[in-house]
Amino acid sequence: SYELTQPPSVSVSPGQTARITCSGDALPKKYAYWYQQKSGQAPVLVIYEDSKRPSGIPERFSGSSSGTMATLTISGAQVEDEADYYCYSTDSSGNHGVFGGGTKLTVL
Amino acid sequence: EVQLVESGGGLVQPGGSLRLSCAASGFTFSSYWMSWVRQAPGKGLEWVANIKQDGSEKYYVDSVKGRFTISRDNAKNSLYLQMNSLRAEDTAVYYCARQRITMVRGVIGSYFDYWGQGTLVTVSS
Repeated sequence: SYELTQPPSVSVSPGQTARITCSGDALPKKYAYWYQQKSGQAPVLVIYEDSKRPSGIPERFSGSSSGTMATLTISGAQVEDEADYYCYSTDSSGNHGVFGGGTKLTVL
Repeated sequence: EVQLVESGGGLVQPGGSLRLSCAASGFTFSSYWMSWVRQAPGKGLEWVANIKQDGSEKYYVDSVKGRFTISRDNAKNSLYLQMNSLRAEDTAVYYCARQRITMVRGVIGSYFDYWGQGTLVTVSS
């Protein structure tokens, strides 16, 4: 079955840039989406269609995709950005969704 | 305001059954694909199943195929997940999510724009 691979953890100091990667064989032909999940809460969409930002999401969140890798970038990470981040996409058929394993972002 | 409210979770023995429900409001339910996503305790998100607007297409993750059935009642603005032959590894918070399908530059995209708060299913003897 199709898989998306993320690093388990990323750590940065406040104000630094955090980059979280997501790799998958179908990403050259499928969009990547990014979700933020804080403890005990439902996920929140922070990036859609590789690089678009939903309304209400701070400008410090950005996304990009090249080849088999998508990247979520948080420029000037804040303490409140500490959360688990998940990439999401579909397999090549488009019929089955898949999440990456998640990346725990620590900002301290 | 879009609202998705799950119900039906609880404690069930291995091999047992449970039916989850999701009540939708604040949007035209019959116009959207809908999905179930789960999260085992301390683990990541896992897409479980989805269903087309009219129920004519349904897809499942391999681990639940043949055991779980997704369905919907557009007249009641409700989504369901019938779970049979439950296993310990099905223990998770189950989220109902509205699915958006887009076509941009010839690429079909699919993602979840609204989520419920989840209902906990515990499979244990």
